[in-house]
Amino acid sequence: EIVLTQSPGTLSLSPGERATLSCRASQSVSSSHLAWYQQKPGQAPRLLMYGASSRATGIPDRFSGSGSGTDFTLTISRLEPEDFAVYYCQQYGGSPNTFGPGTKVDIK
Amino acid sequence: QVQLQESGPGLVKPSETLSLTCTVSGGSISNYYWSWIRQPPGRGLEWIAYIYYSGSTNYNPSLKSRVTISLDTSQNQFSLKLSSVTAADTAVYYCARGPTRFDYWGQGTLVTVSS
Repeated sequence: EIVLTQSPGTLSLSPGERATLSCRASQSVSSSHLAWYQQKPGQAPRLLMYGASSRATGIPDRFSGSGSGTDFTLTISRLEPEDFAVYYCQQYGGSPNTFGPGTKVDIK
Repeated sequence: QVQLQESGPGLVKPSETLSLTCTVSGGSISNYYWSWIRQPPGRGLEWIAYIYYSGSTNYNPSLKSRVTISLDTSQNQFSLKLSSVTAADTAVYYCARGPTRFDYWGQGTLVTVSS
């Protein structure tokens, strides 16, 4: 099973700032099968990115993803008030698919 | 717009079987994969199982011995059964579309295991 580690655990930023979230895998994720989700309190996760760098339907272009192998990054270029949430990475290149522990982006 | 809605008991006794149903609306259950995912309170996400509309299934090895997933295409529903539950199975259970990455989710339902 591929174990994902996310850093930092919490990221405290102000609206308008850039957020950089990291996801590291215990082994290489095949074909960049890496997704990112956003979850707000009391809500289901929402798919943001898949294939490491492809935005899901309706996701604004301030969200971008990059990386390959074992190191992946989600970048939010300018934080909007609605972006403060928990972000999870997920790998689906290995079985079973697994999620990281999450990074909380909160308001500084 | 595809919508998913979980239903089932919110309280299950230890050693009993947890049973949940997901109703899909706004689209057909056919030609897609459907999954169950859970999230213990304050913790991360764990994929449980998926089923294809044809009936083929795949389970997380950590839960495989206790889980059954099934579907009813006539009702546009799929279901989860988790046997021999303990307090560690207390979680919000989500149904979602997809075998590996999940583009539509239900709102989730909290299932508490307690006597």
